[in-house]
Amino acid sequence: RKEVEQDPGPFNVPEGATVAFNCTYSNSASQSFFWYRQDCRKEPKLLMSVYSSGNEDGRFTAQLNRASQYISLLIRDSKLSDSATYLCVAHTGRRALTFGSGTRLQVQP
Amino acid sequence: ETGVTQTPRHLVMGMTNKKSLKCEQHLGHNAMYWYKQSAKKPLELMFVYSLEERVENNSVPSRFSPECPNSSHLFLHLHTLQPEDSALYLCASSQEVAGNTEAFFGQGTRLTVV
Repeated sequence: RKEVEQDPGPFNVPEGATVAFNCTYSNSASQSFFWYRQDCRKEPKLLMSVYSSGNEDGRFTAQLNRASQYISLLIRDSKLSDSATYLCVAHTGRRALTFGSGTRLQVQP
Repeated sequence: ETGVTQTPRHLVMGMTNKKSLKCEQHLGHNAMYWYKQSAKKPLELMFVYSLEERVENNSVPSRFSPECPNSSHLFLHLHTLQPEDSALYLCASSQEVAGNTEAFFGQGTRLTVV
């Protein structure tokens, strides 16, 4: 079983739509979680950290459910510029981040 | 200067060549990483250096040899690579703090082995 699993997509949504991604992790000892965004042929960049209480940054909301070992990302009012691959990341205590394979989002006009 | 800088950005090498990838971070971080990203595959952790000491070697073939001379610099020495080693090699750094260790990435070196 992969340590961090994501639906690869692609998710094709119209502008203005709300889209949600889920991610599951297998290591219950994982301590911290992140969502990264990666544009085509570019490096991953931190989108937001994920806290147990949930956190929001503008149109983006991240949630963590430790009991079920899943993380979610909600994007409201999608923009064309949101088109990218979204990487779910867990810090598994091995002194490095473990990445999911990413979920591709394509926002269409 | 950007936070994490990698050189070269692109590299084409033959299977008998020896080359090195360089990474430099200007963020004052104490941990550095090499990741490999092949087409349609997730990022794979290769090596971790914490306080200049290698703390993880993720079953990487010996044709990849890392070097961390100080906390700001990280190298990946390459020799006798195979075509399947063609990938994007990403360097990252972080400040190791219990519970929250977001990483910052360089732009990567796109390697093609011919």
